[in-house]
Amino acid sequence: EAQVTQNPRYLITVTGKKLTVTCSQNMNHEYMSWYRQDPGLGLRQIYYSMNVEVTDKGDVPEGYKVSRKEKRNFPLILESPSPNQTSLYFCASSLTGTSQQYFGPGTRLTVT
Amino acid sequence: EDQVTQSPEALRLQEGESSSLNCSYTVSGLRGLFWYRQDPGKGPEFLFTLYSAGEEKEKERLKATLTKKESFLHITAPKPEDSATYLCAVQGGGAGNKLTFGGGTRVLVKP
Repeated sequence: EAQVTQNPRYLITVTGKKLTVTCSQNMNHEYMSWYRQDPGLGLRQIYYSMNVEVTDKGDVPEGYKVSRKEKRNFPLILESPSPNQTSLYFCASSLTGTSQQYFGPGTRLTVT
Repeated sequence: EDQVTQSPEALRLQEGESSSLNCSYTVSGLRGLFWYRQDPGKGPEFLFTLYSAGEEKEKERLKATLTKKESFLHITAPKPEDSATYLCAVQGGGAGNKLTFGGGTRVLVKP
């Protein structure tokens, strides 16, 4: 089954404790992206990747890092999480940068 | 900077009562306008892509149209299962492949 998977689905952590949210797709897509969704602010793009070793900033990249070492994986790294990064995070992939995106199920992160 | 505004924020419909959702956008060189459906607790699900003014696409009770400044999602004779949040997003012609989403329209269809 074609899908985007994210882990973990739920995470509660404390300020400053480094964490990684994994994202994997099995559709051989070139384009992958991370979003955060907050009430009243909608979906905002954090980082995106056009292909392996190619990443670029979206609208809200501060406090986040990404890497794309393999085509199927695009982890999101929070090196020193803060409470304002409490949010619902979605990973997405698409065949190209302008084609439809397939979204993962989301990761709900709480930073206390 | 690309901007997307969706209206109304929320819409309550009776089953069978047709209506339209609006997505107004400003973008430098539109490369694509996307419509997604999002159910509570789930990731957005792709509905349509529109590329140029005048283009229309249909899927079951949904029809999306595009002008140079806005897009409409028409819901014809909606059913309760059409209840969801509908998201509009644009991809501009600027550097990179950034996607900008609107705030969404929450649609509730009552039987």
